[in-house]
Amino acid sequence: GQQVMQIPQYQHVQEGEDFTTYCNSSTTLSNIQWYKQRPGGHPVFLIQLVKSGEVKKQKRLTFQFGEAKKNSSLHITATQTTDVGTYFCADFTGGGNKLTFGTGTQLKVEL
Amino acid sequence: GAVVSQHPSRVICKSGTSVKIECRSLDFQATTMFWYRQFPKQSLMLMATSNEGSKATYEQGVEKDKFLINHASLTLSTLTVTSAHPEDSSFYICSAASGGVGTDTQYFGPGTRLTVL
Repeated sequence: GQQVMQIPQYQHVQEGEDFTTYCNSSTTLSNIQWYKQRPGGHPVFLIQLVKSGEVKKQKRLTFQFGEAKKNSSLHITATQTTDVGTYFCADFTGGGNKLTFGTGTQLKVEL
Repeated sequence: GAVVSQHPSRVICKSGTSVKIECRSLDFQATTMFWYRQFPKQSLMLMATSNEGSKATYEQGVEKDKFLINHASLTLSTLTVTSAHPEDSSFYICSAASGGVGTDTQYFGPGTRLTVL
């Protein structure tokens, strides 16, 4: 079956440093969604990318969809302690509305 | 925004007992609800898709007789873990989707942490 892997698994940064998580799929992605899960919390929808090569920005967050639609990335500029959490990408299969989650990247931000 | 609730938020039970978890969409009608399981420091794994008025669709490897799903109304789906064992201890999260709210968006409940002794 489809495997959606994310690297790195963990990332510790100093506040103010940048952070990037990469999402790679064994098969072509339909639409890619990104979620943030705070410790002890539930996933919160961040964004959806649909088109090949698409780039979207939300304040300090930049999301990119690969040209071949087999990978995606999330980049955070100048991290803050509020960015702490686990970031998941997920392949959204429109036909069944199913989400296949990536393995996640846990981000820790130190002062 | 769309709100999904789950009850209970935390449950501890003895091995062999059954546990029911409720998932409710509070301000929209959800034709489809999803049930996920998340073990510590792992990703969310889809267990089943619940459609109102029809049988749930289970993912490969998920026992339908052990994880009973009922989607009785457009705002309520329940997951019953039958004859629970310690290996069933996990974080169970539901999500709800509705074409009226945004077809591509799923709204997640706060999760239910199940501990089986």
